Amino acid sequence: AQSVTQLDSHVSVSEGTPVLLRCNYSSSYSPSLFWYVQHPNKGLQLLLKYTSAATLVKGINGFEAEFKKSETSFHLTKPSAHMSDAAEYFCVVSPFSSGSARQLTFGSGTQLTVLP
Amino acid sequence: EAGVAQSPRYKIIEKRQSVAFWCNPISGHATLYWYQQILGQGPKLLIQFQNNGVVDDSQLPKDRFSAERLKGVDSTLKIQPAKLEDSAVYLCASSLERGSGGADTQYFGPGTRLTVL
Repeated sequence: AQSVTQLDSHVSVSEGTPVLLRCNYSSSYSPSLFWYVQHPNKGLQLLLKYTSAATLVKGINGFEAEFKKSETSFHLTKPSAHMSDAAEYFCVVSPFSSGSARQLTFGSGTQLTVLP
Repeated sequence: EAGVAQSPRYKIIEKRQSVAFWCNPISGHATLYWYQQILGQGPKLLIQFQNNGVVDDSQLPKDRFSAERLKGVDSTLKIQPAKLEDSAVYLCASSLERGSGGADTQYFGPGTRLTVL
């Protein structure tokens, strides 16, 4: 069985300040982990994925995430928030390694608000 | 490259009516997924196809939901009869993945927002 817990349902930051979106996972296997972003009225877009090649994963738009097995965490960060980052973010786990996109389990989402 | 297409974008029906959603995946993508996303929650997988065969439909409420992908390309998801709790966004996604393993990405369509009154 696998599950994902996003620790904050809402995060609010000022433009230009760092972003931290927290995610903890549970998996019986060596999982693949993903972060997706969902802008209003748009489809989910992949930000980055962990495939066991490196624990620090860089994604699009300046986002990155660090896989910490000892803490079962996969937090998403960005050094400086931009207004266009305002969206809903989902942490996602697959029980298959190597970045497999099968059997994805989504967290409940974190709504990021960026204040001017 | 064209993305995953879905129609309609919005649908309002009354309970006990039937409704159908259509999805056209990215060209060449073998695997197609349907998800249900209830307001305030993450998407939940309903059914996964590989080509025209069902790989996983364990979370599909088969008494009222059905899906098909007859020629291994586009797909339809039907609800009959609809209940109030079916109000949600229905997302379609596709990936290249052709077998076990593989490092493929799921590409999502914009979704169909269903309101059941």
